[in-house]
Amino acid sequence: AQTVTQSQPEMSVQEAETVTLSCTYDTSENNYYLFWYKQPPSRQMILVIRQEAYKQQNATENRFSVNFQKAAKSFSLKISDSQLGDTAMYFCAFRAGNNRKLIWGLGTSLAVNP
Amino acid sequence: SQTIHQWPATLVQPVGSPLSLECTVEGTSNPNLYWYRQAAGRGLQLLFYSIGIDQISSEVPQNLSASRPQDRQFILSSKKLLLSDSGFYLCAWSGRGNYEQYFGPGTRLTVT
Repeated sequence: AQTVTQSQPEMSVQEAETVTLSCTYDTSENNYYLFWYKQPPSRQMILVIRQEAYKQQNATENRFSVNFQKAAKSFSLKISDSQLGDTAMYFCAFRAGNNRKLIWGLGTSLAVNP
Repeated sequence: SQTIHQWPATLVQPVGSPLSLECTVEGTSNPNLYWYRQAAGRGLQLLFYSIGIDQISSEVPQNLSASRPQDRQFILSSKKLLLSDSGFYLCAWSGRGNYEQYFGPGTRLTVT
């Protein structure tokens, strides 16, 4: 069975600093996609970044970047120059290429402190 | 551009009452549609997903049901609510050629 594990239930970071959120997954598939979603206090779920497993280059979106280690089945999210608006729950999610469903981690609650 | 709407935003219902939550998508056709439930401080639980009109898969056996009467409309229903149905309900869509899901603003349901 495919699983997604986020081992850090809570994290905090000072404004303007960098923080890395961890995610590991387990799958026997070779074609799959990984995502990080952000859920701020409004509870709107927002897609932050996506990574295709066949791409070796790590995805980046402005201050957000990933460290995708396919052999280790690791997919961490780095947030640079943290801002107060980054305070949110962050969810890691996995989708096998032939599956319409996402497999979700339990989330990491990130607090950015002023 | 595509947008997804959910209503109502907040709902308080007594135990045993019926439920109807609605989700509509604009700006795309033939989307995959999803209903999730999220308990407070917890992860997402997939309830139903649909690949087309009247094509719905149930992930969790419970007293909820889903229907898709139109291509871009997805409805979550219950005949009799339980206390355990309380939670935050999210609707999402994905395109045929895309792999990510996009979410609506959610409905906060409290069953009293």
